[in-house]
Amino acid sequence: DAGVTQSPTHLIKTRGQQVTLRCSPKSGHDTVSWYQQALGQGPQFIFQYYEEEERQRGNFPDRFSGHQFPNYSSELNVNALLLGDSALYLCASSGDRGRIPSGANVLTFGAGSRLTVL
Amino acid sequence: AQSVSQHNHHVILSEAASLELGCNYSYGGTVNLFWYVQYPGQHLQLLLKYFSGDPLVKGIKGFEAEFIKSKFSFNLRKPSVQWSDTAEYFCAFSSGGYNKLIFGAGTRLAVHP
Repeated sequence: DAGVTQSPTHLIKTRGQQVTLRCSPKSGHDTVSWYQQALGQGPQFIFQYYEEEERQRGNFPDRFSGHQFPNYSSELNVNALLLGDSALYLCASSGDRGRIPSGANVLTFGAGSRLTVL
Repeated sequence: AQSVSQHNHHVILSEAASLELGCNYSYGGTVNLFWYVQYPGQHLQLLLKYFSGDPLVKGIKGFEAEFIKSKFSFNLRKPSVQWSDTAEYFCAFSSGGYNKLIFGAGTRLAVHP
């Protein structure tokens, strides 16, 4: 059990559509990060949310947006889907304000949502 | 640009063989280093981490890694692999005050009985 729950596990969309992915962090964690893992590559950082605000952002276009709710859960939204958006989207949570060094700030990853864009 | 290079994309070993997976990072400042493992059909799990102190760190399942600052390296080792070590291994680092991880492309390890 990862402790981080993501939904849906798999989904198929067509180009131009919009998608929303959801994440519930591990109990006790308050920071949520999203990563994109394309086939054969390592995860790439999309953005991080803390206190319902985007705190850091990776090199992703504005089509990628997110939200964090008061219960620390989070959503990732992708608009105007492209074929290249096909990937495994990983949610990771951490505690203690996501700040390190601290032994409490190791990321815990969910199993991911596999998005296929046709 | 900050990046991680994992030298071996695929490694095939027989059980009881020794393992060393290379990892080099590109960043000039203080880093925190991680190895994550992804077993088939499972989520990413932390194998071990280095924040400070002894550069030789031990993780779960008999894995260890050594941080060599002068070489910007954090290689993963295990003296004797098992079939159950078959997985994909990712090296990653973070810097600064927030745990934004930069990952390598991963190394797929296959261990044959």
